[in-house]
Amino acid sequence: AAGVIQSPRHLIKEKRETATLKCYPIPRHDTVYWYQQGPGQDPQFLISFYEKMQSDKGSIPDRFSAQQFSDYHSELNMSSLELGDSALYFCASSFRQGAGDTQYFGPGTRLTVL
Amino acid sequence: QKEVEQNSGPLSVPEGAIASLNCTYSDRGSQSFFWYRQYSGKSPELIMSIYSNGDKEDGRFTAQLNKASQYVSLLIRDSQPSDSATYLCAAPEQGGKLIFGQGTELSVKP
Repeated sequence: AAGVIQSPRHLIKEKRETATLKCYPIPRHDTVYWYQQGPGQDPQFLISFYEKMQSDKGSIPDRFSAQQFSDYHSELNMSSLELGDSALYFCASSFRQGAGDTQYFGPGTRLTVL
Repeated sequence: QKEVEQNSGPLSVPEGAIASLNCTYSDRGSQSFFWYRQYSGKSPELIMSIYSNGDKEDGRFTAQLNKASQYVSLLIRDSQPSDSATYLCAAPEQGGKLIFGQGTELSVKP
Protein backbone atom coordinates (compact mmCIF):
# COMPACT_ATOMS: atom_id res chain seq x y z
CA ALA A 1 0.00 0.00 0.00
CA ALA A 2 1.17 3.52 -0.74
CA GLY A 3 2.58 5.43 2.19
CA VAL A 4 3.34 9.04 2.99
CA ILE A 5 6.41 10.28 1.14
CA GLN A 6 8.71 12.94 2.52
CA SER A 7 11.70 14.60 0.93
CA PRO A 8 14.47 15.11 1.51
CA ARG A 9 15.18 12.44 4.10
CA HIS A 10 18.21 14.28 5.43
CA LEU A 11 19.07 17.96 5.25
CA ILE A 12 22.05 19.86 6.59
CA LYS A 13 21.89 23.64 6.72
CA GLU A 14 23.85 26.50 8.23
CA LYS A 15 22.35 28.96 10.71
CA ARG A 16 20.23 31.67 9.07
CA GLU A 17 19.72 29.59 5.92
CA THR A 18 16.33 28.45 4.64
CA ALA A 19 14.95 24.95 4.17
CA THR A 20 11.95 23.48 2.38
CA LEU A 21 10.51 20.13 3.41
CA LYS A 22 8.03 18.33 1.19
CA CYS A 23 5.27 15.87 2.00
CA TYR A 24 3.18 13.74 -0.36
CA PRO A 25 0.18 12.24 1.46
CA ILE A 26 -1.34 8.84 0.90
CA PRO A 27 -3.56 8.98 -2.22
CA ARG A 28 -7.09 10.20 -1.47
CA HIS A 29 -6.07 11.53 1.94
CA ASP A 30 -7.26 15.12 2.30
CA THR A 31 -5.56 16.19 5.53
CA VAL A 32 -1.89 16.75 6.25
CA TYR A 33 -0.26 17.31 9.63
CA TRP A 34 3.30 18.45 10.38
CA TYR A 35 5.07 17.44 13.61
CA GLN A 36 8.49 18.25 15.02
CA GLN A 37 10.34 15.78 17.23
CA GLY A 38 13.45 16.81 19.13
CA PRO A 39 15.88 14.27 20.61
CA GLY A 40 14.26 12.27 23.38
CA GLN A 41 10.95 14.11 22.99
CA ASP A 42 7.54 13.16 21.74
CA PRO A 43 6.27 14.64 18.46
CA GLN A 44 4.91 18.16 18.74
CA PHE A 45 2.22 19.42 16.39
CA LEU A 46 3.16 22.33 14.14
CA ILE A 47 0.40 22.90 11.61
CA SER A 48 -2.28 21.09 9.60
CA PHE A 49 -4.19 21.47 6.35
CA TYR A 50 -7.53 20.15 5.22
CA GLU A 51 -8.55 20.42 1.59
CA LYS A 52 -5.72 22.88 0.91
CA MET A 53 -6.74 25.25 3.71
CA GLN A 54 -4.90 25.68 7.00
CA SER A 55 -7.03 23.96 9.60
CA ASP A 56 -5.01 24.26 12.81
CA LYS A 57 -1.81 25.79 14.06
CA GLY A 58 0.34 24.70 16.95
CA SER A 59 3.68 25.82 18.31
CA ILE A 60 5.08 26.80 14.95
CA PRO A 61 7.59 29.68 14.92
CA ASP A 62 6.76 32.71 12.81
CA ARG A 63 9.89 31.88 10.79
CA PHE A 64 8.10 28.79 9.49
CA SER A 65 5.30 28.73 6.96
CA ALA A 66 3.50 25.95 5.16
CA GLN A 67 0.92 25.34 2.53
CA GLN A 68 -0.96 22.54 0.83
CA PHE A 69 -1.16 22.52 -2.94
CA SER A 70 -3.88 21.50 -5.38
CA ASP A 71 -2.44 17.97 -5.64
CA TYR A 72 -2.61 17.77 -1.79
CA HIS A 73 1.14 17.70 -1.29
CA SER A 74 2.39 20.05 1.38
CA GLU A 75 5.56 22.04 1.92
CA LEU A 76 7.03 23.36 5.15
CA ASN A 77 9.24 26.39 4.61
CA MET A 78 11.70 27.28 7.34
CA SER A 79 13.69 30.51 7.27
CA SER A 80 16.42 32.03 9.44
CA LEU A 81 17.26 28.59 10.72
CA GLU A 82 18.51 28.28 14.29
CA LEU A 83 20.48 25.53 15.98
CA GLY A 84 17.36 24.62 17.95
CA ASP A 85 15.51 23.79 14.75
CA SER A 86 17.58 20.62 14.43
CA ALA A 87 15.04 17.84 14.77
CA LEU A 88 13.06 15.18 12.97
CA TYR A 89 10.14 16.59 11.02
CA PHE A 90 7.27 14.26 10.31
CA CYS A 91 4.35 14.66 8.01
CA ALA A 92 1.23 12.59 8.62
CA SER A 93 -1.85 12.24 6.46
CA SER A 94 -5.42 11.13 7.06
CA PHE A 95 -8.80 10.99 5.40
CA ARG A 96 -11.11 13.24 7.39
CA GLN A 97 -14.19 11.42 8.62
CA GLY A 98 -14.70 13.07 11.97
CA ALA A 99 -12.97 13.22 15.29
CA GLY A 100 -10.08 10.83 15.71
CA ASP A 101 -9.10 10.16 12.12
CA THR A 102 -6.19 7.73 11.86
CA GLN A 103 -2.97 9.47 10.95
CA TYR A 104 -0.23 7.70 9.04
CA PHE A 105 3.26 9.08 9.36
CA GLY A 106 5.88 9.53 6.69
CA PRO A 107 9.52 8.50 7.19
CA GLY A 108 10.48 11.99 8.29
CA THR A 109 13.13 14.53 7.38
CA ARG A 110 16.12 14.82 9.67
CA LEU A 111 17.18 18.47 9.71
CA THR A 112 20.57 19.37 11.10
CA VAL A 113 21.42 23.04 11.53
CA LEU A 114 25.12 23.78 11.97
CA GLN B 1 -4.94 21.37 26.30
CA LYS B 2 -5.47 17.75 27.11
CA GLU B 3 -2.65 15.80 28.62
CA VAL B 4 -1.55 12.28 27.92
CA GLU B 5 0.71 10.60 30.45
CA GLN B 6 2.86 7.49 30.12
CA ASN B 7 5.51 5.86 32.26
CA SER B 8 8.72 6.60 30.43
CA GLY B 9 10.30 3.33 31.47
CA PRO B 10 12.44 1.71 30.38
CA LEU B 11 10.30 -1.38 30.69
CA SER B 12 12.28 -4.58 30.37
CA VAL B 13 10.64 -7.97 29.79
CA PRO B 14 12.08 -11.36 28.81
CA GLU B 15 11.38 -12.79 25.39
CA GLY B 16 8.01 -14.56 25.32
CA ALA B 17 6.55 -12.59 28.22
CA ILE B 18 3.64 -10.16 28.18
CA ALA B 19 4.55 -6.48 28.05
CA SER B 20 2.02 -4.09 29.55
CA LEU B 21 2.12 -0.42 28.58
CA ASN B 22 -0.10 2.12 30.28
CA CYS B 23 -1.43 5.55 29.46
CA THR B 24 -3.75 8.00 31.24
CA TYR B 25 -5.41 11.06 29.80
CA SER B 26 -6.90 14.20 31.25
CA ASP B 27 -9.83 14.93 28.93
CA ARG B 28 -12.87 12.89 29.92
CA GLY B 29 -14.42 13.76 26.56
CA SER B 30 -11.71 12.00 24.56
CA GLN B 31 -13.25 9.47 22.19
CA SER B 32 -10.33 7.83 20.43
CA PHE B 33 -6.83 6.70 21.20
CA PHE B 34 -3.89 5.45 19.20
CA TRP B 35 -0.81 3.42 19.97
CA TYR B 36 2.24 4.01 17.82
CA ARG B 37 5.55 2.17 17.84
CA GLN B 38 8.69 4.15 17.12
CA TYR B 39 12.12 2.72 16.56
CA SER B 40 15.02 5.04 17.26
CA GLY B 41 15.38 7.63 14.50
CA LYS B 42 12.35 6.30 12.62
CA SER B 43 8.79 7.53 12.24
CA PRO B 44 5.84 6.51 14.42
CA GLU B 45 4.13 3.38 13.10
CA LEU B 46 0.46 2.80 13.92
CA ILE B 47 -0.09 -0.31 16.04
CA MET B 48 -3.66 0.01 17.26
CA SER B 49 -6.56 2.42 17.44
CA ILE B 50 -9.36 2.08 19.97
CA TYR B 51 -12.60 4.00 20.28
CA SER B 52 -14.86 1.94 22.56
CA ASN B 53 -14.61 0.78 26.13
CA GLY B 54 -13.21 -2.71 26.47
CA ASP B 55 -10.61 -4.71 24.60
CA LYS B 56 -9.52 -4.72 20.99
CA GLU B 57 -7.22 -7.48 19.78
CA ASP B 58 -5.00 -7.58 16.70
CA GLY B 59 -2.56 -10.47 16.58
CA ARG B 60 -0.23 -10.30 19.55
CA PHE B 61 -1.49 -6.83 20.50
CA THR B 62 -4.46 -5.99 22.70
CA ALA B 63 -5.57 -2.45 23.45
CA GLN B 64 -7.77 -1.83 26.47
CA LEU B 65 -9.80 1.32 27.09
CA ASN B 66 -11.52 2.32 30.31
CA LYS B 67 -13.15 5.71 29.83
CA ALA B 68 -14.43 5.89 33.40
CA SER B 69 -10.87 5.62 34.69
CA GLN B 70 -9.42 7.61 31.75
CA TYR B 71 -6.99 4.83 31.14
CA VAL B 72 -5.80 3.07 28.01
CA SER B 73 -3.29 0.25 27.83
CA LEU B 74 -1.48 -1.90 25.30
CA LEU B 75 -0.60 -5.53 25.96
CA ILE B 76 1.97 -7.30 23.82
CA ARG B 77 1.85 -11.08 24.12
CA ASP B 78 4.80 -13.34 23.33
CA SER B 79 7.13 -10.34 23.27
CA GLN B 80 9.96 -10.55 20.76
CA PRO B 81 13.29 -8.68 20.68
CA SER B 82 11.99 -6.95 17.54
CA ASP B 83 9.28 -5.36 19.72
CA SER B 84 11.99 -3.34 21.48
CA ALA B 85 11.06 0.25 20.70
CA THR B 86 9.37 3.31 22.17
CA TYR B 87 5.59 3.06 22.33
CA LEU B 88 3.64 6.29 22.05
CA CYS B 89 0.09 6.75 23.27
CA ALA B 90 -1.81 9.53 21.48
CA ALA B 91 -5.20 11.18 21.62
CA PRO B 92 -6.58 13.71 19.15
CA GLU B 93 -7.60 17.21 20.10
CA GLN B 94 -10.23 19.25 18.35
CA GLY B 95 -9.07 19.70 14.78
CA GLY B 96 -7.44 16.31 14.76
CA LYS B 97 -3.90 17.08 15.92
CA LEU B 98 -2.47 14.31 18.05
CA ILE B 99 -1.33 14.89 21.59
CA PHE B 100 1.31 12.32 22.48
CA GLY B 101 2.46 10.93 25.77
CA GLN B 102 6.17 11.03 26.42
CA GLY B 103 6.50 7.42 25.28
CA THR B 104 7.45 4.20 27.06
CA GLU B 105 10.72 2.56 26.06
CA LEU B 106 10.32 -1.22 25.87
CA SER B 107 13.27 -3.59 25.90
CA VAL B 108 12.68 -7.29 25.22
CA LYS B 109 15.63 -9.40 26.34
CA PRO B 110 16.40 -12.65 24.48
